[in-house]
Amino acid sequence: EEQLVESGGGLVQPGGSLRLSCAASGFTFSTYSMNWVRQAPGKGLEWVSYISSSTSTIYYADSVKGRFTISRDNAENSLYLQMNSLRAEDTAVYYCARVRCSGGSCYSPFDYWGQGTLVTVSS
Amino acid sequence: EIVMTQSPATLSVSPGERATLSCRASQSVNSNLAWYQQKPGQAPRLLIYGASTRATGIPARFSGSGSGTEFTLTVSSLQSEDFAVYFCQQYNNWPVWTFGQGTKVEIK
Repeated sequence: EEQLVESGGGLVQPGGSLRLSCAASGFTFSTYSMNWVRQAPGKGLEWVSYISSSTSTIYYADSVKGRFTISRDNAENSLYLQMNSLRAEDTAVYYCARVRCSGGSCYSPFDYWGQGTLVTVSS
Repeated sequence: EIVMTQSPATLSVSPGERATLSCRASQSVNSNLAWYQQKPGQAPRLLIYGASTRATGIPARFSGSGSGTEFTLTVSSLQSEDFAVYFCQQYNNWPVWTFGQGTKVEIK
């Protein structure tokens, strides 16, 4: 059974840093592209970042570009999100989510999601 | 960026009744539209993709329709476990995937 488990969330002061992790199991992690998606309290879902299976292609939402860094370790079946220069508006539950891509195109939904980890940015 | 607008924000329905949720895209997304269900404290679950194809294990009471800019999710006879928040997502404009703000389906 496919499973994604996030960790690393917590309370951090504005301007601080945090590193999120997502542990994958039940599928061949190295063959799937992955994403981070966040959900601010009481709000909708916002796509944050994408990384291809081989790490050759990475994308970020404009709202986090230059502050967040996505990475993965296929040997450890893990996905990461390094978050720097955090702001109050980054407060959210962060989910990792799998996407099926083919031939470099990802016209696909996110078929599996983790339970999320809460990041709170506050002084 | 393609903006996804869902309506209504809240839908009050009695168990056993039909629920119809709408999602509108600010420009055509063809049939590259998905629907997700999210319950409190849980991860979103993929229900529908390609606007009308049920994901694995999704009951037949869930159906999707539409293309271009107008989409509908219908739950033919609401069960107790169906009361949740539903989100639409476009993936036509990847890598900028965008979601609607959600429709909460609550017990009437």
